[in-house]
Amino acid sequence: DQQVKQNSPSLSVQEGRISILNCDYTNSMFDYFLWYKKYPAEGPTFLISISSIKDKNEDGRFTVFLNKSAKHLSLHIVPSQPGDSAVYFCAAKGAALSNFGNEKLTFGTGTRLTIIP
Amino acid sequence: EPEVTQTPSHQVTQMGQEVILRCVPISNHLYFYWYRQILGQKVEFLVSFYNNEISEKSEIFDDQFSVERPDGSNFTLKIRSTKLEDSAMYFCASTGTGGRNTEAFFGQGTRLTVV
Repeated sequence: DQQVKQNSPSLSVQEGRISILNCDYTNSMFDYFLWYKKYPAEGPTFLISISSIKDKNEDGRFTVFLNKSAKHLSLHIVPSQPGDSAVYFCAAKGAALSNFGNEKLTFGTGTRLTIIP
Repeated sequence: EPEVTQTPSHQVTQMGQEVILRCVPISNHLYFYWYRQILGQKVEFLVSFYNNEISEKSEIFDDQFSVERPDGSNFTLKIRSTKLEDSAMYFCASTGTGGRNTEAFFGQGTRLTVV
């Protein structure tokens, strides 16, 4: 049951250009979305998040867009840098799906981003 | 910067043996989690823990699994009798006050290999 889907397993982008990573979800009870970055042999590192009451959140080079009606979110990285090469996971949670505050994350399968120098 | 630490980084065990994976969450965090990632697959929720009891568990977290916070700082995951299919990266995570819109901080993971 893939409630969070990342349909592109890999993506290659030239250094300096924009990287766009996509994520779709099916569960309308999700109300908070996060992007995590993961290097090999390390744990996921939080990158940026967005609440369902917003449609955009920006933090430096990273911007997340949320389209609730399409159940789609995307992460934009601009300009892309070699250090951005990693696996990016989209994750979602919902207050109505767990006890308050104790909200499990549902992850997508990840997209491996490679930045080409 | 505070971080979640996990030990060991890699554990090899024989099928049927018990293993204990250890985690030290961020010190003022209240909610603790275990996730796992089988090679090539997505990160999956196992269990959440709050106020010294399990809050929620997935169908993966069967009777072979247990969690404990024995001393107020460590948070452990025990697998009683390991199976080959338990081989995976196990990640511990913690969140702070439990308010809405908080992110989970993950440890670096323990790679469990069951042979």
